[in-house]
Amino acid sequence: DSGVTQTPKHLITATGQRVTLRCSPRSGDLSVYWYQQSLDQGLQFLIQYYNGEERAKGNILERFSAQQFPDLHSELNLSSLELGDSALYFCASSGGAGTYGYTFGSGTRLTVV
Amino acid sequence: QQQVKQSPQSLIVQKGGISIINCAYENTAFDYFPWYQQFPGKGPALLIAIRPDVSEKKEGRFTISFNKSAKQFSLHIMDSQPGDSATYFCAANTGGFKTIFGAGTRLFVKA
Repeated sequence: DSGVTQTPKHLITATGQRVTLRCSPRSGDLSVYWYQQSLDQGLQFLIQYYNGEERAKGNILERFSAQQFPDLHSELNLSSLELGDSALYFCASSGGAGTYGYTFGSGTRLTVV
Repeated sequence: QQQVKQSPQSLIVQKGGISIINCAYENTAFDYFPWYQQFPGKGPALLIAIRPDVSEKKEGRFTISFNKSAKQFSLHIMDSQPGDSATYFCAANTGGFKTIFGAGTRLFVKA
């Protein structure tokens, strides 16, 4: 157990629907990062939050949004889902500035049918 | 400039051999270069990391070699074992924010 908890582990939904992925960071970590990993693809950075505020944005689609709550857990919302959104979505956390290594969760496998 | 280029895409090594994965970067602002190991169905896990003020870092059978002038770094796995079979990602980070990952290398160690 890495200490980063992601739920659900698996999600199957239809095109056009909306889903929410949840992440609880490792205890004491202030930063949360979301990454998308498609089949046989690398890790694409989506967005970072630090202590509740958005810090960096990657190639995140406008249909996707995220937030980090006061208890530091984060949610990634994916709407108007398309077949191409099927992927593994990873959350990672770190302690913020000065602690650069990430701890990843086990991911949420999203399948859009 | 934000890219990290990783090669090879896949690698097959005999048990006991040396596995070598290479990465190159452009952005000289990067100041932290980690390697992550990912097994199927799991999230990536931090394996070893280096800062640009040193040329080599060794942890057990894993060594990072860093060439600042060439903007290249590599992972060497000595005495490779079947249990090392996984996908390896190099990465680069600046200022503690947003890590950029390479495309990954699938390593298979033959018994």
